[in-house]
Amino acid sequence: AQRVTQPEKLLSVFKGAPVELKCNYSYSGSPELFWYVQYSRQRLQLLLRHISRESIKGFTADLNKGETSFHLKKPFAQEEDSAMYYCALRAGNKLVFGAGTILRVKS
Amino acid sequence: DVKVTQSSRYLVKRTGEKVFLECVQDMDHENMFWYRQDPGLGLRLIYFSYDVKMKEKGDIPEGYSVSREKKERFSLILESASTNQTSMYLCASSRDGGGNQPQHFGDGTRLSIL
Repeated sequence: AQRVTQPEKLLSVFKGAPVELKCNYSYSGSPELFWYVQYSRQRLQLLLRHISRESIKGFTADLNKGETSFHLKKPFAQEEDSAMYYCALRAGNKLVFGAGTILRVKS
Repeated sequence: DVKVTQSSRYLVKRTGEKVFLECVQDMDHENMFWYRQDPGLGLRLIYFSYDVKMKEKGDIPEGYSVSREKKERFSLILESASTNQTSMYLCASSRDGGGNQPQHFGDGTRLSIL
């Protein structure tokens, strides 16, 4: 069965501290993973995808097939990073989303 | 820039009513999706469509139906609304062509069933 687990409902860090939002997945095929973000009063939008191996707004995520993880990291959190973050797994034509993690960056 | 427009930001209906949620996209995307977003549960797929008049059940289709008569429009229908369908509903669209096409989301419709 396809499943995405985000173990933390809320992650609260101070500005300038490192951030790691955890994501684990369960999928029998070759996984394609994404991180979506929803800022306050804005629509949900794609942050990054593993296949692009890109860094967006200072965030990176590496697919670790051995640990079935796709954790989102940023070395120095900014207040504008405060948002809801969803990890998602492509399963055929569908995306399977995790429950989401609220990141709160305090000044 | 892709535009996905949901007809209402807020909607209040009564138990037993038939409710229509409309979604329109302007980028000629083949795929369209309806999700509900609930705290602690994330986004759950209700239905999706990969072509006009085609539909597939998602993970939680019970109590819902959909209609895709035109490529740009995907409607979600609550046949007989119930209080447990109070939620935020998100529509999304994506281009066809492999697994890496991102989904583009609308602003959402916050639906309250009284």
